[in-house]
Amino acid sequence: DVVMTQSPLSLPVTLGQPASISCRSSQSLVYSDGNTYLIWFQQRPGQSPRRLIYRVSNRDSGVPDRFSGSGSGTDFTLQISRVEAEDVGVYYCMQGTHWPWTFGQGTKVEIK
Amino acid sequence: EVQLVESGGGLVKPGGSLRLSCAASGFSLSNARMTWVRQAPGKGLECVGRIKRKTDGGTTDYSSPVKGRFTISRDDSKNTLYLQMNSLTTEDTAVYYCRGVGSAFDIWGQGTMVTVSS
Repeated sequence: DVVMTQSPLSLPVTLGQPASISCRSSQSLVYSDGNTYLIWFQQRPGQSPRRLIYRVSNRDSGVPDRFSGSGSGTDFTLQISRVEAEDVGVYYCMQGTHWPWTFGQGTKVEIK
Repeated sequence: EVQLVESGGGLVKPGGSLRLSCAASGFSLSNARMTWVRQAPGKGLECVGRIKRKTDGGTTDYSSPVKGRFTISRDDSKNTLYLQMNSLTTEDTAVYYCRGVGSAFDIWGQGTMVTVSS
């Protein structure tokens, strides 16, 4: 199975400051169709996960533009330009290229 | 509104069985890529199985820990997805989510808790 490694696992951030989460895969996530199926999810406390970013850098409808995704191959990043109180939660990357799809361990974002 | 609602969770003894349901509204399950994902208490997310769209053959795939014990099926007339879980162990204790992906949406149900304990 593809191993997804996130860092850091805990991220205390000051309101209004930027935050960055790294996600590395144990093998390339480029699929045979040329797409890279790397997804970012947000899970707020007590809620179901919600997709933020798909195919590395495409923001879902309704997701604030302070969230952005980048990367290629095996190295990916989720950035929050200015953290707001509602961004508290756990963020997961997931690869949808190789079955079984696998998630990173999660990064807990909290306000300092 | 596009929505998924799971049901069927509960307490079951080791070795027992349980069937989870995931009712969809606002879209047709047969046209979506459906997955079951679980989350053990205080832990991360794990895909346990998927069923492809009808146009992609409607076949199923499972993760290693559940292969041979779990079965995903779909009733198009009821627009409902199922997860039949047999030979349950304490390692299967988790919240089980169904997730649906379409051309313009990625939605999760609210989850249903499965506790395997004697």
